[in-house]
Amino acid sequence: EAQVTQNPRYLITVTGKKLTVTCSQNMNHEYMSWYRQDPGLGLRQIYYSMNVEVTDKGDVPEGYKVSRKEKRNFPLILESPSPNQTSLYFCASSLKGFQPQHFGDGTRLSIL
Amino acid sequence: TQLLEQSPQFLSIQEGENLTVYCNSSSVFSSLQWYRQEPGEGPVLLVTVVTGGEVKKLKRLTFQFGDARKDSSLHITAAQPGDTGLYLCAGDVGNFGNEKLTFGTGTRLTIIP
Repeated sequence: EAQVTQNPRYLITVTGKKLTVTCSQNMNHEYMSWYRQDPGLGLRQIYYSMNVEVTDKGDVPEGYKVSRKEKRNFPLILESPSPNQTSLYFCASSLKGFQPQHFGDGTRLSIL
Repeated sequence: TQLLEQSPQFLSIQEGENLTVYCNSSSVFSSLQWYRQEPGEGPVLLVTVVTGGEVKKLKRLTFQFGDARKDSSLHITAAQPGDTGLYLCAGDVGNFGNEKLTFGTGTRLTIIP
């Protein structure tokens, strides 16, 4: 089954404690991206990757890092999380950036 | 400034009624996609429209792309509780080297049985 898998689905943590949200896709897609979804603000792109070892900032990259060492994996790293990063996060993949996105089921992150 | 404005932001109607939601922009899009998102899940693609004036139907859902490719609408006939969800539009501005989608803020639709 074609899917994008994110882990964990839920995480409550404290300010400053480094965390990683993993994302994996099994569709051999070149393009992967991370979004955050906040009430009234819609989906905003954090980072994207057009292929292995190629990553770039989206609209709201501050406080986040990513890496793309393998085609299937695109982890999102919060080196020093802060409460304003409390949000619902989605990983997505597609053949190209403007083509229909396949989304994971989301990670709800709470930073206390 | 939001590139894609969706309206209304919230809509609650009785089962069996018809409704239309809108996605508007001042930019021209090469293509526009509609997604539906249900609680606890990621958005799922419903349709992609590419040609100005294009109309696509998906059962009781009718999608239209504006002639100038700056706006789109989604019309639902005889709404059912299963139509409840967050409807998102996403556009591709088609700039080479800027191959990304821009998402609207969404319309949260509730169908009351």
